[in-house]
Amino acid sequence: KAGVTQTPRYLIKTRGQQVTLSCSPISGHRSVSWYQQTPGQGLQFLFEYFSETQRNKGNFPGRFSGRQFSNSRSEMNVSTLELGDSALYLCASSPVTGMDGELFFGEGSRLTVL
Amino acid sequence: EDQVTQSPEALRLQEGESSSLNCSYTVSGLRGLFWYRQDPGKGPEFLFTLYSAGEEKEKERLKATLTKKESFLHITAPKPEDSATYLCAVHIVTQGGSEKLVFGKGTKLTVNP
Repeated sequence: KAGVTQTPRYLIKTRGQQVTLSCSPISGHRSVSWYQQTPGQGLQFLFEYFSETQRNKGNFPGRFSGRQFSNSRSEMNVSTLELGDSALYLCASSPVTGMDGELFFGEGSRLTVL
Repeated sequence: EDQVTQSPEALRLQEGESSSLNCSYTVSGLRGLFWYRQDPGKGPEFLFTLYSAGEEKEKERLKATLTKKESFLHITAPKPEDSATYLCAVHIVTQGGSEKLVFGKGTKLTVNP
């Protein structure tokens, strides 16, 4: 069974640009959640989607947004990039909604903002 | 504010030297506590879920325990392949009904042969 796939794995952007990251969950998983990981703050929850609806949201500014498609694939978008957005962005999928269960993480998309 | 603190930040052990990692939390609306393992360049990998004080779970050389304010991950006779960063996360439901996972910053474990 294929795992969670995130693309691109690495990308470099400049301040003010925007970026879109993609996540393909494990087949049959309908929940996709996104996390930002930095050395200073650790792993922080961004948002969770289930059946194309945002179910839960962390404490991030509106520049961070996401969506989920009917095939459960998800994208997250960060607009007006800032230097502090440099991080590893991790996507996780689960067969159930919410956080009450095992999450299956992808290997992440490493974003560098110059 | 909901907080999860892991200690120590880093731990070096000799192969076979047992020890424990700590995860303490100050949260309201706790639903469950998770332990994950993360290897360099990889996403976290699920280890355990604990739901109530007194609960214990075991997997190979690892045992996780939970009290009302903290969790311990005990590592018995570790091997070099146990070297990784161990992350603790708490599942919270807010008064408004929304859910989130709050992670600690992790303990980086190195096991020397």
